Amino acid sequence: GDSVTQMEGPVTLSEEAFLTINCTYTATGYPSLFWYVQYPGEGLQLLLKATKADDKGSNKGFEATYRKETTSFHLEKGSVQVSDSAVYFCALSAYTDKLIFGTGTRLQVFP
Amino acid sequence: GAGVSQSPRYKVAKRGQDVALRCDPISGHVSLFWYQQALGQGPEFLTYFQNEAQLDKSGLPSDRFFAERPEGSVSTLKIQRTQQEDSAVYLCASSLEGLGGPNTEAFFGQGTRLTVV
Repeated sequence: GDSVTQMEGPVTLSEEAFLTINCTYTATGYPSLFWYVQYPGEGLQLLLKATKADDKGSNKGFEATYRKETTSFHLEKGSVQVSDSAVYFCALSAYTDKLIFGTGTRLQVFP
Repeated sequence: GAGVSQSPRYKVAKRGQDVALRCDPISGHVSLFWYQQALGQGPEFLTYFQNEAQLDKSGLPSDRFFAERPEGSVSTLKIQRTQQEDSAVYLCASSLEGLGGPNTEAFFGQGTRLTVV
C-alpha cells in the first residue's frame, strides 16, 4: 500500500543552520505531496505542497521538490530560526481523499 | 471561529465507557476527515465525509467506532466500550472540496486527547 517514510528525529540545530528533513514515498500513480507542521500546542498546518513531478513547493523559507525518479520530497531551509522548532510531517494523497502521513520529525533549534 | 474546532480538548474515560468527540468544521467546507494520532506517530486516516455522506470508513479500527455528520456540518466520532488501545489524539480536518484537486487544502483542528484508564 501507499506509505511515507521520513527521517527520525529529533533534529537539533543551532540558529541559522541549514536544515534537511528527508522524506520518501511509495505510491501507485502520481500522488500529491505535502509537508505539514505542528507547532507546540497547535494543530497541524499545511506548510507547502507539490502536485506533480518536478514541482517545487515553498513557504516561509522552506522548500521541497517533488522528485519522481527518487520518490522523494525532502524539506529544506537555508537558515533556521528558533521559531521553526516544531514537528514536521510529510504526507501524500494518491487519487483518494485521504492523507497518508509519515511518523513526523521533531526539529529543535537553539539560539 | 475561523478554524476547525474540536471538543472536548481532553477526555479521560474509564475502560468500557462510551465517548463522543465533536468536530465543527470551517463553515462551507464540504469535506471532513477524522484521523487518529498515537503518541509519537503520524496521523492515521479513520473516515471521510463529503457533506453528509460518509464516503470512506476504511480506517475505522473496529465496529466500536462510529462517525456521523447528519446535516453536512458538525461531525461526531463515537467510540463505544473504550479500550486502552483507543488512547490517542483524534484529529478532525475539513477542506473546501476533496483533496484531489491542485488547490485544495485540509485544515486541522487542535484535536481531542483521549486517555482510557
